[in-house]
Amino acid sequence: EPEVTQTPSHQVTQMGQEVILRCVPISNHLYFYWYRQILGQKVEFLVSFYNNEISEKSEIFDDQFSVERPDGSNFTLKIRSTKLEDSAMYFCASSGPGVDQPQHFGDGTRLSIL
Amino acid sequence: QKEVEQNSGPLSVPEGAIASLNCTYSDRGSQSFFWYRQYSGKSPELIMFIYSNGDKEDGRFTAQLNKASQYVSLLIRDSQPSDSATYLCAPKGSSNTGKLIFGQGTTLQVKP
Repeated sequence: EPEVTQTPSHQVTQMGQEVILRCVPISNHLYFYWYRQILGQKVEFLVSFYNNEISEKSEIFDDQFSVERPDGSNFTLKIRSTKLEDSAMYFCASSGPGVDQPQHFGDGTRLSIL
Repeated sequence: QKEVEQNSGPLSVPEGAIASLNCTYSDRGSQSFFWYRQYSGKSPELIMFIYSNGDKEDGRFTAQLNKASQYVSLLIRDSQPSDSATYLCAPKGSSNTGKLIFGQGTTLQVKP
């Protein structure tokens, strides 16, 4: 069964550094998402992406965050100048072909900021 | 008022019993509703989705939706210890961008 793939599974970074989290969505999906989950808290929406542009972003998704689909298969989340409070699990999800189709999540990247 | 409310639990049921998980939501424009299961330290795993009022059954799982009451539930029949996990209710927001709004989740414990 097709699945969403995320790399790395765990990323440890010094505060102030830049990180790039990578995702390979399911191949025929058209809608891509990033969510995050701080330990012990609920899953929070960060951003949705369709047709090579952001369709919605949350208040969390400020200027330090950016997303990109550099080629036909990868979808990346970049966090510039990381902060301690960015420590969380980051999940990529994809859905398609319609926006109402269920979203399938990757295994996540655990980001630890020191 | 929270956007999506779930009883955090834990909800404890004996093996073989029916587990009933409830969720209320505030966005009247939500049209699609999803239930995910999340084991500790793992990612959300899709269990059920429902778009229309009424019941939808899939194996041991039944999702129920009442849009007028802004209420959605998940029933798990013949509960197994492997069903022990946190169940996340996630309505899709009315913005039509696919954004899911997650509840805090209900922790289910199935005791052998």
